[in-house]
Amino acid sequence: ETGVTQSPTHLIKTRGQQVTLRCSSQSGHNTVSWYQQALGQGPQFIFQYYREEENGRGNFPPRFSGLQFPNYSSELNVNALELDDSALYLCASSRGLLYEQYFGPGTRLTVT
Amino acid sequence: GENVEQHPSTLSVQEGDSAVIKCTYSDSASNYFPWYKQELGKRPQLIIDIRSNVGEKKDQRIAVTLNKTAKHFSLHITETQPEDSAVYFCAAKGDGGTSYGKLTFGQGTILTVHP
Repeated sequence: ETGVTQSPTHLIKTRGQQVTLRCSSQSGHNTVSWYQQALGQGPQFIFQYYREEENGRGNFPPRFSGLQFPNYSSELNVNALELDDSALYLCASSRGLLYEQYFGPGTRLTVT
Repeated sequence: GENVEQHPSTLSVQEGDSAVIKCTYSDSASNYFPWYKQELGKRPQLIIDIRSNVGEKKDQRIAVTLNKTAKHFSLHITETQPEDSAVYFCAAKGDGGTSYGKLTFGQGTILTVHP
């Protein structure tokens, strides 16, 4: 198992609400990437944080936002939740931008 | 942006047989190609990776080959065991432009190994 942790494990929200997901990176890692994995699909890149700065963003609307803290843990915030936001949200940490990424266990978000 | 195609979507083999999963990518700037194994309800687990300066890498029963000219790479699992049953994802990552640091995943292959 990796040292990457995520909270909460599961979450149920109503359409229109806001949600914050959390990720603690592995010791020694300064980069966190967030991915959305819909059922039966591969993970889709949301954005990446390197040393507290956003370093790249995928095709997700602005209501998906995030930040990285000085200890390199990270948050993913989603506003105005839609039904299609229901998915497994994975974070992955790495030693840097060009190093291998190790995934956390994910947060299963259900929007009703 | 980068696009990764993965085949087959499902693969069924008998225990002891070999399994091969293939991926193609579109961005010639991609230079890092990991493979992840994801068991039901669990996190993707990095099982092997390869960088563009090598053509093949082996780790016990698994190997990955890379053909940069053709822009495709493959995962080979020999002497398959029932515990190899899982979903396997290939991915590609570049080191420049819009693909810098970003992993683009294939659609996944469901591997089933029958005892």
